[in-house]
Amino acid sequence: DIQMTQSPSSLSASVGDRVTITCRASQTISTYLNWYQHEPGKAPKLLIYASSILQSGVPSRFSGSASGTDFTLTISSLQPEDFATYYCQQSYIIPYSFGQGTKLEIK
Amino acid sequence: EVQLVESGGDLVQPGGSLRLSCAASGFIFSSYDMHWVRQAAGKGLEWVSSIGSAGDTHYPGSVMGRFTISRENAKNSVYLQINSLRAEDTAVYYCAREVGLSYNTFDVWGEGTTVIVSS
Repeated sequence: DIQMTQSPSSLSASVGDRVTITCRASQTISTYLNWYQHEPGKAPKLLIYASSILQSGVPSRFSGSASGTDFTLTISSLQPEDFATYYCQQSYIIPYSFGQGTKLEIK
Repeated sequence: EVQLVESGGDLVQPGGSLRLSCAASGFIFSSYDMHWVRQAAGKGLEWVSSIGSAGDTHYPGSVMGRFTISRENAKNSVYLQINSLRAEDTAVYYCAREVGLSYNTFDVWGEGTTVIVSS
């Protein structure tokens, strides 16, 4: 099974900051990497798929990139509504697996 | 509006069974693969089953033999039967739609239904 290692597990930042979350796959997953945002009590929300393609309706301050088995999610200028937990997920091969999550908190 | 609504979560004793339902609306349900994902309190997301548009099913090893996913296209619904419930099955269970042509992405999710396994 493919393991997804996400870091950091938590992050404190301020409105307007630029933040980066990383995710490493234990083996090649091509660009089958998705990023989701999850707030307590709500449905998870797709942000980015295929490592770098922005889902329709998602603000352009979110971006994704890939280098081999390393992937990054960048938020260019944090907004109050961005404080949530973020997960990466590989959809290259079943069992699809998620990273352990990054909780983004207000500093 | 594209929507998924889960139901069926409950407080169940260890060893019991439960059937979760997910009702879809706003899209051609029969054309999509569907998934169940769970989140235990304080933990991350865990994929637990999928069913293809053709009815093929998949599970991780951790739930194989206890979880059964099924679908009823006439009712635009997907189900998750959970048997021999354990404390570690306590979680919020989400259903999600897969967009197969877009890197198997889960583009629509429900808000979840809560399963508590306790005596």
